[in-house]
Amino acid sequence: DGGITQSPKYLFRKEGQNVTLSCEQNLNHDAMYWYRQDPGQGLRLIYYSQIVNDFQKGDIAEGYSVSREKKESFPLTVTSAQKNPTAFYLCASSIDLFRAGANVLTFGAGSRLTVL
Amino acid sequence: QKEVEQNSGPLSVPEGAIASLNCTYSDRGSQSFFWYRQYSGKSPELIMFIYSNGDKEDGRFTAQLNKASQYVSLLIRDSQPSDSATYLCAVKGDNFNKFYFGSGTKLNVKP
Repeated sequence: DGGITQSPKYLFRKEGQNVTLSCEQNLNHDAMYWYRQDPGQGLRLIYYSQIVNDFQKGDIAEGYSVSREKKESFPLTVTSAQKNPTAFYLCASSIDLFRAGANVLTFGAGSRLTVL
Repeated sequence: QKEVEQNSGPLSVPEGAIASLNCTYSDRGSQSFFWYRQYSGKSPELIMFIYSNGDKEDGRFTAQLNKASQYVSLLIRDSQPSDSATYLCAVKGDNFNKFYFGSGTKLNVKP
């Protein structure tokens, strides 16, 4: 079945450590996204990527980094510079804007990061 | 910053009633509008999307869009306890695939 796989589902980190969240999709979607969700709040965009080897900052990119070396993969690194990283992280993908049936976000199951 | 506003709720309705969820947005250039359902601890799942002014129906769900008023709503008919979740409104602007989300409305359907 096609979908988006995020791992790990739960992650605990000590302060000062970098962690990388994995996101893999087999939907052949061009665009990929990382969102952060805090309790009782909506989704805030961290980074997004339209094509391989290209990505743009979202609204809350500080303290995060990404790469897009393959169409299927868009890993997110939460660095020690992120002051309050405890949150639910959601990876999503969508088909390119100019194709039929585009513009719908499909989400992975999410990764819950807790800083100890 | 594009803004998408929703009443956080909770909105409580009895089983079998109509639940009405509302959303306003600030960017007049917005082109596409989405409703996602999110159960506690889970990721959002798409319920409906709408591009044109008017109503769009899918089963028990109806999305309504009024671009002049910058308003989009979701009606859930014959509400069921399984509909109890947080409903997120999302808006896509006129530049590439950048989606903006509201903070969600929590719906409780009482048996």
